[in-house]
Amino acid sequence: AQSVTQLGSHVSVSEGALVLLRCNYSSSVPPYLFWYVQYPNQGLQLLLKYTSAATLVKGINGFEAEFKKSETSFHLTKPSAHMSDAAEYFCAVSPWAGNQFYFGTGTSLTVIP
Amino acid sequence: DTAVSQTPKYLVTQMGNDKSIKCEQNLGHDTMYWYKQDSKKFLKIMFSYNNKELIINETVPNRFSPKSPDKAHLNLHINSLELGDSAVYFCASSQGGDTIYFGEGSWLTVV
Repeated sequence: AQSVTQLGSHVSVSEGALVLLRCNYSSSVPPYLFWYVQYPNQGLQLLLKYTSAATLVKGINGFEAEFKKSETSFHLTKPSAHMSDAAEYFCAVSPWAGNQFYFGTGTSLTVIP
Repeated sequence: DTAVSQTPKYLVTQMGNDKSIKCEQNLGHDTMYWYKQDSKKFLKIMFSYNNKELIINETVPNRFSPKSPDKAHLNLHINSLELGDSAVYFCASSQGGDTIYFGEGSWLTVV
């Protein structure tokens, strides 16, 4: 069985501060891991994905995430928050051999000027 | 070209009406999905089709009926709409487990 836990449904950071959004997963098989971003009134866009290559994955808009198998984590970071980063962020996992995706409950990021 | 497109984007309708949402993907993917996003932003899988075959059918009222005429299209028909059906419905597609692509969403309001 697969599941995804996002700690913190709401995160607030000051503009220019570090962004850290947490994601832990459980998976019985090697997974693919994803972060998606949803801006207001829009669909979900892929930020980055881990597919068993390098454990540190770089995505769009300066975001990156590190796959840590021992901690079953895939936390999302950005060194310096920008006002335009305010959005809902979703972590997701899929077994590499399947076509099912399991999403976390989302984290709403607020950036304070 | 939009990879996953769904129409309409906004839909306001009265209780008891029947409505449909259409979805098309031009990515050549074998699998298509319908997700429901509630007011708390939770994403819930409703249905999944692989090459026109239903493979996931979560606990969804029978009033919701998906139809896949071919692997590039997955439509959602909803009968006898209720207030609780108000939500955002997302169509999506993938090729296996490698990346799911979402449409822009259909905002359904039942009054």
